[in-house]
Amino acid sequence: NAGVTQTPKFQVLKTGQSMTLQCAQDMNHNSMYWYRQDPGMGLRLIYYSASEGTTDKGEVPNGYNVSRLNKREFSLRLESAAPSQTSVYFCASSETAAPQTEAFFGQGTRLTVV
Amino acid sequence: RKEVEQDPGPFNVPEGATVAFNCTYSNSASQSFFWYRQDCRKEPKLLMSVYSSGNEDGRFTAQLNRASQYISLLIRDSKLSDSATYLCVVRDDKIIFGKGTRLHILP
Repeated sequence: NAGVTQTPKFQVLKTGQSMTLQCAQDMNHNSMYWYRQDPGMGLRLIYYSASEGTTDKGEVPNGYNVSRLNKREFSLRLESAAPSQTSVYFCASSETAAPQTEAFFGQGTRLTVV
Repeated sequence: RKEVEQDPGPFNVPEGATVAFNCTYSNSASQSFFWYRQDCRKEPKLLMSVYSSGNEDGRFTAQLNRASQYISLLIRDSKLSDSATYLCVVRDDKIIFGKGTRLHILP
């Protein structure tokens, strides 16, 4: 049972490079989320998608774009990476129709921008 | 005001002690509430949901006060393995995390 799968697990980028973080879930969840976690800052919501075809900004969307490709997949794109985007990125999914149910997380992507 | 606020920590407590975590949230329309645990360099994992009537799971007790918009977590008879960061989580149309409180259990 894979749950939520993120790729890659580690990445080093040069300033100005672009990349896409991939996330896929096999639990048939409607909602998917992207968070970043920095030391002392907790998890901050970048973007979320309540259902296939919809996306909404979270607390820290600047510098990122997302695509909800289908119900399973939700990708996060950095068009021009900056050192301030060095962070650990977590993807999560949950069931929209059952708000009491938990969110499940991928193992994270550790991104360093130099 | 931040959407979800927690004690900043860290908490350093001796093994066997009782530990209490507090959390407040700003959106009165929030639907559901959780405590997550996060170990160093790992993804967050659900510790327990929090229900209006309060709920208990072994050594862990969670309470919710909707009127005060306040959530708590109590850990009794703490173990070394309880050392982790505890995250308060609130859900409305999105899922919002507090900054977390780091707990160190001292032998």
